[in-house]
Amino acid sequence: DAKTTQPTSMDCAEGRAANLPCNHSTISGNEYVYWYRQIHSQGPQYIIHGLKNNETNEMASLIITEDRKSSTLILPHATLRDTAVYYCIVRVSGSNYQLIWGAGTKLIIKP
Amino acid sequence: DSGVTQTPKHLITATGQRVTLRCSPRSGDLSVYWYQQSLDQGLQFLIQYYNGEERAKGNILERFSAQQFPDLHSELNLSSLELGDSALYFCASSARVNTGELFFGEGSRLTVL
Repeated sequence: DAKTTQPTSMDCAEGRAANLPCNHSTISGNEYVYWYRQIHSQGPQYIIHGLKNNETNEMASLIITEDRKSSTLILPHATLRDTAVYYCIVRVSGSNYQLIWGAGTKLIIKP
Repeated sequence: DSGVTQTPKHLITATGQRVTLRCSPRSGDLSVYWYQQSLDQGLQFLIQYYNGEERAKGNILERFSAQQFPDLHSELNLSSLELGDSALYFCASSARVNTGELFFGEGSRLTVL
């Protein structure tokens, strides 16, 4: 599986959009980008995933660059409850490969 | 609430002891995963079961074992416990066997003294 690079930490003001970048320059054509978050020692929570097209759901939007070497997770209106560690993971589609978790980005939403 | 239930939430025990962690997956999910998260390491995949059969094995120690029962609940057995086994143990479930969309429980925090 391709490796990902994320900033160690980020701040965002409450009510603003939080944009979390992820670099996956060695991603293969059949690897999806997954995002999870973990709120202080709780179980990780699935957010969104995508292959090449931008994706949106009730939690967030995922923007994948055309060359697929990087992506951005967007939380449109961040709240204090969005403070968490956000993990960007790439995974081969349709295989039995497991999710490989890095250190993630610690996102702190400030009032 | 992910729908995945783990018990116990907290467990304190001594070195050399054996404990069993229990997981009930989301209704209808056939696949169960176990992960370990310690302070100095990220989430480490231990093992996956699908409909009662072992599907994939990760960095699971020989002192650890798991199984998935006919009612689809799973148990993770940890024996000959060492101080370094102190960690959060998460169970996750998924509807499909080959997917990255997992639903995690709230974890069992094991402290070995």
